[in-house]
Amino acid sequence: AQRVTQPEKLLSVFKGAPVELKCNYSYSGSPELFWYVQYSRQRLQLLLRHISRESIKGFTADLNKGETSFHLKKPFAQEEDSAMYYCALRLISGSARQLTFGSGTQLTVLP
Amino acid sequence: DVKVTQSSRYLVKRTGEKVFLECVQDMDHENMFWYRQDPGLGLRLIYFSYDVKMKEKGDIPEGYSVSREKKERFSLILESASTNQTSMYLCASRGSGTDTQYFGPGTRLTVL
Repeated sequence: AQRVTQPEKLLSVFKGAPVELKCNYSYSGSPELFWYVQYSRQRLQLLLRHISRESIKGFTADLNKGETSFHLKKPFAQEEDSAMYYCALRLISGSARQLTFGSGTQLTVLP
Repeated sequence: DVKVTQSSRYLVKRTGEKVFLECVQDMDHENMFWYRQDPGLGLRLIYFSYDVKMKEKGDIPEGYSVSREKKERFSLILESASTNQTSMYLCASRGSGTDTQYFGPGTRLTVL
């Protein structure tokens, strides 16, 4: 079965410092990877998806199939980036329609 | 904008009660999902539905059931609530052929 691992439950960085939230997955096929974010008192929302290869709010994430990783990065963290971040995986093949989420990383950006 | 609404933000029930959590989406999405969100465990899928009257078990279906009589509404039922079902419950929907899930605001259920 597929699995998503986010090794850091809590991560604190200072404003302006680079930040990397780690995500590793276990699946032998070709998955779709996503990052979802939940700001304080807001609903969970999609941040970015690997197939789009886009940068959202300064965040990027590259799918590394060799290392089975999809780490989220931002070169200069801002205080408004403080939130809970979830990495998620969806299988491309078969009839699977659901996402498998990691346990989440709470990011705090300190002033 | 896609809107996913949940019937209650906060709910307090007693052990053994039957509990209904309602979710409604307004974008004609085929797929709907129920998760529970617990600190350190992330989001775990309870049940999902890909069409009216269709349902599939997720990772933790024990103690729960669901109902989808209409496309826009997906209900989660706790037949006999227990204290270990105290949690935040999130509903989500997604259209077929798309990859974005839209989440509701969540229902924080406390079972005493």
